Amino acid sequence: AQTVTQSQPEMSVQEAETVTLSCTYDTSESNYYLFWYKQPPSRQMILVIRQEAYKQQNATENRFSVNFQKAAKSFSLKISDSQLGDTAMYFCAFMKPPTGNQFYFGTGTSLTVIP
Amino acid sequence: EPEVTQTPSHQVTQMGQEVILRCVPISNHLYFYWYRQILGQKVEFLVSFYNNEISEKSEIFDDQFSVERPDGSNFTLKIRSTKLEDSAMYFCASRGRGSSNAETQYFGPGTRLLVL
Repeated sequence: AQTVTQSQPEMSVQEAETVTLSCTYDTSESNYYLFWYKQPPSRQMILVIRQEAYKQQNATENRFSVNFQKAAKSFSLKISDSQLGDTAMYFCAFMKPPTGNQFYFGTGTSLTVIP
Repeated sequence: EPEVTQTPSHQVTQMGQEVILRCVPISNHLYFYWYRQILGQKVEFLVSFYNNEISEKSEIFDDQFSVERPDGSNFTLKIRSTKLEDSAMYFCASRGRGSSNAETQYFGPGTRLLVL
């Protein structure tokens, strides 16, 4: 079974600073997908970034980037130039193909950006 | 940008009552999912649905649960006889097929269900 672990229940960061959220997972699969979702107080779960395991290059989306370490089964999210709107719960998720399969989620990290 | 929507946002019900949670997936999506999140715990998979049938379900999804797509746009989760432990946030998700982002599931804002 796949497990996803987020070891930081809560984090805070000063506005404009950089913060890294950690995620580790356990799988015997070689091909899979990893995701970071953001859930702000409005509750809409929003895709932040995704990574395909067979791609060595770390995914980036504007201020968001990941550090994907396949051998270590680690998938951390770096948020640069943190903004107040980044305050949210962040979930790491794992999915193995075929693409109809379920997501496995971590317990989430609550991030607060302090003005 | 298209979004998954869910109604109601909050539902309070008495134990033993039936509830129906509604979702409108993104219009051209073909795969549909229900997840739940008990307060303080991780988001858990309940069921996936494709081509008008369940494609996968978890052990949580017992005989008290059912899903259907009654009219080609809505996707519903029914809990026949609610229990206290069904209190949770329920998320609907959908995904498309055949695009470069086909594996991504798009989530709705959730329905918070409270069983008294």
